[in-house]
Amino acid sequence: ETGVTQTPRHLVMGMTNKKSLKCEQHLGHNAMYWYKQSAKKPLELMFVYSLEERVENNSVPSRFSPECPNSSHLFLHLHTLQPEDSALYLCASSQERGVVIQYFGAGTRLSVL
Amino acid sequence: LAKTTQPISMDSYEGQEVNITCSHNNIATNDYITWYQQFPSQGPRFIIQGYKTKVTNEVASLFIPADRKSSTLSLPRVSLSDTAVYYCLVGPLEGGYNKLIFGAGTRLAVHP
Repeated sequence: ETGVTQTPRHLVMGMTNKKSLKCEQHLGHNAMYWYKQSAKKPLELMFVYSLEERVENNSVPSRFSPECPNSSHLFLHLHTLQPEDSALYLCASSQERGVVIQYFGAGTRLSVL
Repeated sequence: LAKTTQPISMDSYEGQEVNITCSHNNIATNDYITWYQQFPSQGPRFIIQGYKTKVTNEVASLFIPADRKSSTLSLPRVSLSDTAVYYCLVGPLEGGYNKLIFGAGTRLAVHP
């Protein structure tokens, strides 16, 4: 148990569906992250939030829409995804300042049909 | 940010000591080094972090030479459960929280 909880753990969706991934951290951190990990590939940083403001968006397609309503919760809204978006989506949190250690959730395994 | 280079894969046997080296030739004065472990279909897990010389915790040791251009993660007496991907990251002491980059990592396979 890392203190970062992601739901659902598994998700199967069609290309026309709309779904959301949820992340919650109980560590009192003020920075949260979304990563994408495709099969046999490195983690790709998608979005970074600090104090509920988005500070990084690494050229992610608009079909991925993040939301950070408070410092403990992070969402990733998905719509009209493509099969190549199938991957493990990981959420992490950390302190913003000082030496950073990221704590990751177990991830959501997403399959787009 | 400093780029890191690690071996793509390594093999070992149960009970052996494993050393994984990471090169970071352009590490900056205010950069620190962090190692993570990732099992299949799970998020990475923090292992150890250091700035210089040697750091040891209950899981591993981290050796950093004086020039800090490389670092070595040492896993004592590995078991089958240590089979995982190990990542080396380099990042600044301040202001780097949004720019940490995971490379390809080193895929360690521990055999019986």
